[in-house]
Amino acid sequence: DVKVTQSSRYLVKRTGEKVFLECVQDMDHENMFWYRQDPGLGLRLIYFSYDVKMKEKGDIPEGYSVSREKKERFSLILESASTNQTSMYLCASSPTGLSTDTQYFGPGTRLTVL
Amino acid sequence: QKEVEQNSGPLSVPEGAIASLNCTYSDRGSQSFFWYRQYSGKSPELIMFIYSNGDKEDGRFTAQLNKASQYVSLLIRDSQPSDSATYLCAVNMIYNQGGKLIFGQGTELSVKP
Repeated sequence: DVKVTQSSRYLVKRTGEKVFLECVQDMDHENMFWYRQDPGLGLRLIYFSYDVKMKEKGDIPEGYSVSREKKERFSLILESASTNQTSMYLCASSPTGLSTDTQYFGPGTRLTVL
Repeated sequence: QKEVEQNSGPLSVPEGAIASLNCTYSDRGSQSFFWYRQYSGKSPELIMFIYSNGDKEDGRFTAQLNKASQYVSLLIRDSQPSDSATYLCAVNMIYNQGGKLIFGQGTELSVKP
C-alpha cells in the first residue's frame, strides 16, 4: 500500500512565525504535491515537484516555499505565517507524470494561525 | 469559466437509490479523469479513474466519460449511508515533465436511511 505521511495532524502557530510542514512518501514516487483546502474554494495547488531539487509553482504559491532535498520528502514552508493561511494542508504523491497516474494523499495537517 | 465544475450540492438520495454526480471540464485536451471520495475531516481517496469514452464499472460505481461533450459522471448504485461524503472530480493536466490534477469543488452527497 502507498503510504503518505504528514508531520502533524493539527498545528497552531502565531502570526509571523516560520512554519514547516513535512510530507514523506514510501513508494519511490517521482511527483509530490502540496494543496490547501478551504470551504467553498476546494483543493488548490500550491507547489509541486517532479524530481529532487525541482519545483513548480501551482495556482497559489504566494507566501509559500518548498524544499525537496530527498525523493521521499517534500516540505512546505510558510516564511511568515499569516491568519489567511489558516487552512487544511494536504500533501500528495504520484508515481510519474503519466496521464493515468493517480495521486495518493496524506492525512492532512490542519493549520491554525492566530 | 472554471476548469473543472461540479454542482456543490448537497445531493440527497434515499438508501438503495442511484446517486448521479456530474462534472464538466473546459480543456478539450484533457486525457484522464479521476473521482475521489472525501469523508468529513479526512483526506481524499481514489474511487476510480477513466480515460476512454464510455463507461467503466467497479462494483457499485460506474464512471462515464464523454469527451465530445466534455463531461464525466459517477453513478453510485444501491447507495448506502456510508457513501455520504464529498465527491471530487479531477482532471489530469500534463505540465512540463510532470502532471497535475485540477479539482472541482466537490459535490456533497447525503444518503438517507
